[in-house]
Amino acid sequence: DAGVIQSPRHEVTEMGQEVTLRCKPISGHDYLFWYRQTMMRGLELLIYFNNNVPIDDSGMPEDRFSAKMPNASFSTLKIQPSEPRDSAVYFCASSLERTTRGSTGELFFGEGSRLTVL
Amino acid sequence: GESVGLHLPTLSVQEGDNSIINCAYSNSASDYFIWYKQESGKGPQFIIDIRSNMDKRQGQRVTVLLNKTVKHLSLQIAATQPGDSAVYFCAENERDDKIIFGKGTRLHILP
Repeated sequence: DAGVIQSPRHEVTEMGQEVTLRCKPISGHDYLFWYRQTMMRGLELLIYFNNNVPIDDSGMPEDRFSAKMPNASFSTLKIQPSEPRDSAVYFCASSLERTTRGSTGELFFGEGSRLTVL
Repeated sequence: GESVGLHLPTLSVQEGDNSIINCAYSNSASDYFIWYKQESGKGPQFIIDIRSNMDKRQGQRVTVLLNKTVKHLSLQIAATQPGDSAVYFCAENERDDKIIFGKGTRLHILP
């Protein structure tokens, strides 16, 4: 398996523009997580899904942020409109349930999408 | 709110020495703790985990210690190598499978 795949790796956009980040989790994984990483706040959990259903979106900073998981192999994180303070690295991660035989429940992260909003 | 935190943001260690990275947590309901390593430009990678019913777990060159009395977690790396240079995060499972990360400690290896 190729691991968790995120796109784009880098995006530079202007304030007010819509940004869409994409993620393909590892096949067969039950959970998908979106994290945001900044120097000041570290790794923040934004939202996570279980079997394509959003479980907890309490980390989503504002209504400008939305996430979807239309099927088991694809998720998007959308920011509309984007602001300079949204500049960060956004990580997607997937995992199996810890109750799955042989699973530690560890998160497998993608390489991240570095977003710069000017 | 309750959160996972770290004592030191940066740790410098001589190559070949042992490294100890510390972490404090405050959510007594957490039952599962994990250490991740993040190299520059990459996503975090799993190192080792420990469940709350254990106080020690060993892996290859790494040991995690859990002290529930003082809500403290540590990662020990034996014979630190240049390849160990990275940022290390502790994380906790607050409930269900929600994983919350601490701020991170940068480990710098001195030649």
